[in-house]
Amino acid sequence: NAGVTQTPKFQVLKTGQSMTLQCAQDMNHNSMYWYRQDPGMGLRLIYYSASEGTTDKGEVPNGYNVSRLNKREFSLRLESAAPSQTSVYFCASSEPQLAKNIQYFGAGTRLSVL
Amino acid sequence: AQSVAQPEDQVNVAEGNPLTVKCTYSVSGNPYLFWYVQYPNRGLQFLLKYITGDNLVKGSYGFEAEFNKSQTSFHLKKPSALVSDSALYFCAGGAGGFKTIFGAGTRLFVKA
Repeated sequence: NAGVTQTPKFQVLKTGQSMTLQCAQDMNHNSMYWYRQDPGMGLRLIYYSASEGTTDKGEVPNGYNVSRLNKREFSLRLESAAPSQTSVYFCASSEPQLAKNIQYFGAGTRLSVL
Repeated sequence: AQSVAQPEDQVNVAEGNPLTVKCTYSVSGNPYLFWYVQYPNRGLQFLLKYITGDNLVKGSYGFEAEFNKSQTSFHLKKPSALVSDSALYFCAGGAGGFKTIFGAGTRLFVKA
């Protein structure tokens, strides 16, 4: 069982470069999420998709865009990377109606912006 | 505003001793509360949840948590710690919608 798969695992960017983080889940979940994890700050929600075809801003959406490509895939794009976006990014999925929003996480993408 | 607080950055305990990792919450209405564990270079893994019902919730790996409405707390406990329990623990909560608020995390060290 793959669960939630994120690619790439590591990435180094220069300021101003763009990139897309990919996420796919094979649990047939309706909802998907992108978080960033910074030391001492826990996880902060960037964007989420309650269901296929919908996306909404979370706590820290500035500088990011998302696409819910289909039910399985939810990508996060940095159009012009900044050093403040150096972080570990986690994708998660859940099935709110069945499991009261227990979330299943990918292994993360470690991003450094120089 | 909703919030989840973990007052301890780190908890140290000897193997075989009981452990407690503290969490307090401020969530409107009836809270949904969760504990997750993160091992190095891994994503978060679900441990247990409180939605309604018994105040003592049992979860994976021998962990349990006690919901206390009057103290707005949801402390994670285990009667006998193992070295393999050493990890980063996150408390999380929400009001049942799509947005779950995570605490800052507490690092647990279990010494042999």
